[in-house]
Amino acid sequence: SAVISQKPSRDICQRGTSLTIQCQVDSQVTMMFWYRQQPGQSLTLIATANQGSEATYESGFVIDKFPISRPNLTFSTLTVSNMSPEDSSIYLCSVIGRGGRTQETQYFGPGTRLLVL
Amino acid sequence: GQQVMQIPQYQHVQEGEDFTTYCNSSTTLSNIQWYKQRPGGHPVFLIQLVKSGEVKKQKRLTFQFGEAKKNSSLHITATQTTDVGTYFCAGRGIRSTHDGKLTFGQGTILTVHP
Repeated sequence: SAVISQKPSRDICQRGTSLTIQCQVDSQVTMMFWYRQQPGQSLTLIATANQGSEATYESGFVIDKFPISRPNLTFSTLTVSNMSPEDSSIYLCSVIGRGGRTQETQYFGPGTRLLVL
Repeated sequence: GQQVMQIPQYQHVQEGEDFTTYCNSSTTLSNIQWYKQRPGGHPVFLIQLVKSGEVKKQKRLTFQFGEAKKNSSLHITATQTTDVGTYFCAGRGIRSTHDGKLTFGQGTILTVHP
């Protein structure tokens, strides 16, 4: 399985500021995603991070609020911009394995727990 | 769009009792994945089911994929306190095999009383 790390693991931020979350995978993966999990809720897909091009956003999420970069096959960043308390959530990086038994299997990173005051 | 419904939302059991959670998709799935999330943790991959009617076992856990590939279940035999957590199913639609998107169920929160 892919080993995924995220930084920071948690943060407390003031409203109006921005936070960039990093996701690093230990191997090349076919696809990378960013999810949000609000307290007590299920997981909601924010966007698919595309290597070398603009991310593909789901309905309700826009690039100005959640800019995403993916410069190579093992690294991506998600920025939560102009934060408000409603952005308090766990943000999770997720990847699909590349080939073999890991193909189509989706793994999650440990998450970044964000609290906006 | 594709929807995945998961029931029950909550389940309280006494240690040693069995537990089952069910998922039902509005559309035919290419595959379905199950995850466990411990309190304060992140979703951990348990298993992927791909074939119609597939049954897979992991120790006390039994996973089933329906014949029509629209529903799935997870059954835990003789629950233990270590089984506590939220269990999510996540389905990938036939049309999502190229974009890889998963649609998550709402999750079932399992509490095991010793």
